[in-house]
Amino acid sequence: QVQLQGSGPGLVKPSQTLSLTCTVSGGSISGGSYYYWNWIRQPAGKGLEWIGRIYTTGSINYNPSLKSRVTISMDTSKNEFSLKLSSVTAADTAVYYCAREPPNDPLDYWGQGTLVTVSS
Amino acid sequence: EIVLTQSPDFQSVTPKEKVTITCRASQSIGTSLHWYQQKPDQSPKLLIKYTSQSVSGVPSRFTGSGFGTDFTLTISSLEADDAATYFCHQSTTLYTFGQGTKLEIK
Repeated sequence: QVQLQGSGPGLVKPSQTLSLTCTVSGGSISGGSYYYWNWIRQPAGKGLEWIGRIYTTGSINYNPSLKSRVTISMDTSKNEFSLKLSSVTAADTAVYYCAREPPNDPLDYWGQGTLVTVSS
Repeated sequence: EIVLTQSPDFQSVTPKEKVTITCRASQSIGTSLHWYQQKPDQSPKLLIKYTSQSVSGVPSRFTGSGFGTDFTLTISSLEADDAATYFCHQSTTLYTFGQGTKLEIK
């Protein structure tokens, strides 16, 4: 059974860079089967916003509304993928989820969510 | 960007009642519409994929229908465990989600 575990600082100061990591267990992110590895966020009491994704081969797609501030990468040696969001403001306060997406199928396995608060 | 609009935003229902949640897309998305259930402090769980395809482990009382711009999630006989927020999600281009429908059990 695949499990995704997000981790990272819960508090980030305005204008700084938010950095999160998602560690995948129960399967490899780099070999065997091919998947997209996604980041999605959810402000308190609001809906979900897709941030971007990285494919097993390394190709990346970003939400255009966040593209100028987002970097998604993967570290196959650690079986994890990461999110960096620069120049954060209070509007970036949210629960950040990592999720797996099989090709031609929707997001199936999600991490537990990491609350990140942007505040001085 | 494709906007997904769900209705209603909130519904209070009694057990065994039939529940219908709708999701309208701002442009045609064929059948690339999926439904998720999210309980408080939990991550979303996939219920229905590609409008009407069942997902392993999901009770058969959850069904979906629709095409193009109008979609429906139906819970045939509501159970107490179904209290949650339900989201639709489209996966054509630039993934987007509906704003959510919160179901409360009376």
